[in-house]
Amino acid sequence: IAGITQAPTSQILAAGRRMTLRCTQDMRHNAMYWYRQDLGLGLRLIHYSNTAGTTGKGEVPDGYSVSRANTDDFPLTLASAVPSQTSVYFCASSRDRGTEAFFGQGTRLTVV
Amino acid sequence: GQSLEQPSEVTAVEGAIVQINCTYQTSGFYGLSWYQQHDGGAPTFLSYNALDGLEETGRFSSFLSRSDSYGYLLLQELQMKDSASYFCAVKGGSARQLTFGSGTQLTVLP
Repeated sequence: IAGITQAPTSQILAAGRRMTLRCTQDMRHNAMYWYRQDLGLGLRLIHYSNTAGTTGKGEVPDGYSVSRANTDDFPLTLASAVPSQTSVYFCASSRDRGTEAFFGQGTRLTVV
Repeated sequence: GQSLEQPSEVTAVEGAIVQINCTYQTSGFYGLSWYQQHDGGAPTFLSYNALDGLEETGRFSSFLSRSDSYGYLLLQELQMKDSASYFCAVKGGSARQLTFGSGTQLTVLP
């Protein structure tokens, strides 16, 4: 693994199903983030974690949950997917909160 | 909360200079960043300004005026590969998180 890795790269999901997007980084960064990107709306912060064991809510947290059990992993869970959660999801990490962020390649999620 | 405004589209010709402006509002300001994103790709970091003035990195420069809540990204000697979306992002608020603007789509014409 080099940098930050997301899985899956794309997914089609039936509405109402549960889904976990995976994110792993090997840079020993303290802070990690989940953003969603929708056309014309830029990147919107869903949840963040400044250090392992802590998480916080971003701009659009409803319908999503995260955990940060260790430094490397920061999974994002959709408990019951809805079509409005169709988006491209980016995981990112940075050495410390608010510093230069490194992004994964994204997960394209379609909820039908 | 934080909010940012930047133009949605900019078009320029190869070899030219283009400036992408960004104005922001934030309850606490720590810095302004710029990111580049090509279609289908991930955002990549370009520059960061925490203090007033100009930061230069090769063909790209970024400027900040904290008193005006304003910054810009200057791209010189434009190349076709510079066609991409450019996002400004403010580090601010009590959580000191990055909030992104909606992005500026730069098209470089031959």
